[in-house]
Amino acid sequence: AQSVTQLGSHVSVSEGALVLLRCNYSSSVPPYLFWYVQYPNQGLQLLLKYTTGATLVKGINGFEAEFKKSETSFHLTKPSAHMSDAAEYFCAVSDRGTYKYIFGTGTRLKVLA
Amino acid sequence: NAGVMQNPRHLVRRRGQEARLRCSPMKGHSHVYWYRQLPEEGLKFMVYLQKENIIDESGMPKERFSAEFPKEGPSILRIQQVVRGDSAAYFCASSQGTESSYEQYFGPGTRLTVT
Repeated sequence: AQSVTQLGSHVSVSEGALVLLRCNYSSSVPPYLFWYVQYPNQGLQLLLKYTTGATLVKGINGFEAEFKKSETSFHLTKPSAHMSDAAEYFCAVSDRGTYKYIFGTGTRLKVLA
Repeated sequence: NAGVMQNPRHLVRRRGQEARLRCSPMKGHSHVYWYRQLPEEGLKFMVYLQKENIIDESGMPKERFSAEFPKEGPSILRIQQVVRGDSAAYFCASSQGTESSYEQYFGPGTRLTVT
């Protein structure tokens, strides 16, 4: 069965530093990949997604992620963290042609002043 | 705001009571999905519905849980005789279709606390 692993349930970075949130999936067939952000007491907002084509995907708020098939990874990065980036981030996958999203357990990002 | 609406946002129930969670999908969306987020866990798929049809309920607990999406009105997730283990955040999502590239738009969730 498909699974998603997010390394690090809590990540702290200084304001202005690089943000790197890790996501690995288990499928041998490349799935569709998503990153969502959840602010306190709010729903999930889609940051970016990979379905086909270019493996480097740019999303909202300056985030991007690179699909690496050989590493079965889809890590999320942002060159310079901002205080407003503090939130919980979820990686999700779905097998092509299906609607079931499989979510990772989330990474809570803290940005230090 | 034409996003996915869920109510109530917070719900407190005593053990044995019933909980009803409502979800109105985005305008133009006819596919609704319910997910549950237990503390310290990711979201887990529960059920997928279209108007008047349950398409996939493979993630629903076998007892006490039911879902519907009537022709008119919101989708309802119903939990009968709640127990403490039902305490969680319940998220509804909607999409235009079932192609995986039709991203699912999520509501703010209903946080259920069972006392």
